[in-house]
Amino acid sequence: NAGVTQTPKFRVLKTGQSMTLLCAQDMNHEYMYWYRQDPGMGLRLIHYSVGEGTTAKGEVPDGYNVSRLKKQNFLLGLESAAPSQTSVYFCASSYSDSNSPLHFGNGTRLTVT
Amino acid sequence: AQSVAQPEDQVNVAEGNPLTVKCTYSVSGNPYLFWYVQYPNRGLQFLLKYITGDNLVKGSYGFEAEFNKSQTSFHLKKPSALVSDSALYFCAVRDWSTGGFKTIFGAGTRLFVKA
Repeated sequence: NAGVTQTPKFRVLKTGQSMTLLCAQDMNHEYMYWYRQDPGMGLRLIHYSVGEGTTAKGEVPDGYNVSRLKKQNFLLGLESAAPSQTSVYFCASSYSDSNSPLHFGNGTRLTVT
Repeated sequence: AQSVAQPEDQVNVAEGNPLTVKCTYSVSGNPYLFWYVQYPNRGLQFLLKYITGDNLVKGSYGFEAEFNKSQTSFHLKKPSALVSDSALYFCAVRDWSTGGFKTIFGAGTRLFVKA
């Protein structure tokens, strides 16, 4: 049982380049989330999805896009990377009841030069 | 506005001593509270949660947390710290202002247990 899997684990981009981060979960969870983690700021929600085909903006959505074409996958895209997007990105998923905890992937460390 | 505060950036304890990591919250509606732990180069792992019922909640790895409604606190505790408990700890709350879909995290507290 893999849980939540993120690819890639590391990536270095130049300013203006684009990339897609992939998140896959095998727990049949309805909800999926993308967070970014920066020192001293905890985790900030970028986008989330409450079901296949649905997405919504979180706290810091600018510069990112997402898609959830299949229930098990949640993609995060950076169309034109900026140094301010240097961060560690975490995907998480959960069941649809609000007392369920989040299950996290191991993160993607992105550096934009 | 929903929020979570962890007033200490770092907590230092000696192995074998009790530890407390503090968390206070501000929510509208019933507080659904969580603690997570993060080890280096890993994602967050769920430790325990308070939804309703007993104010003392027990979780993984010997951790427990005490919910105090009057003080709006949810402090994480362990009677006897281990060096292996050294990690980053996050308090979190469900955000009811947006239907409960989202979780808000505190900034994190780094726990350092010295042998």
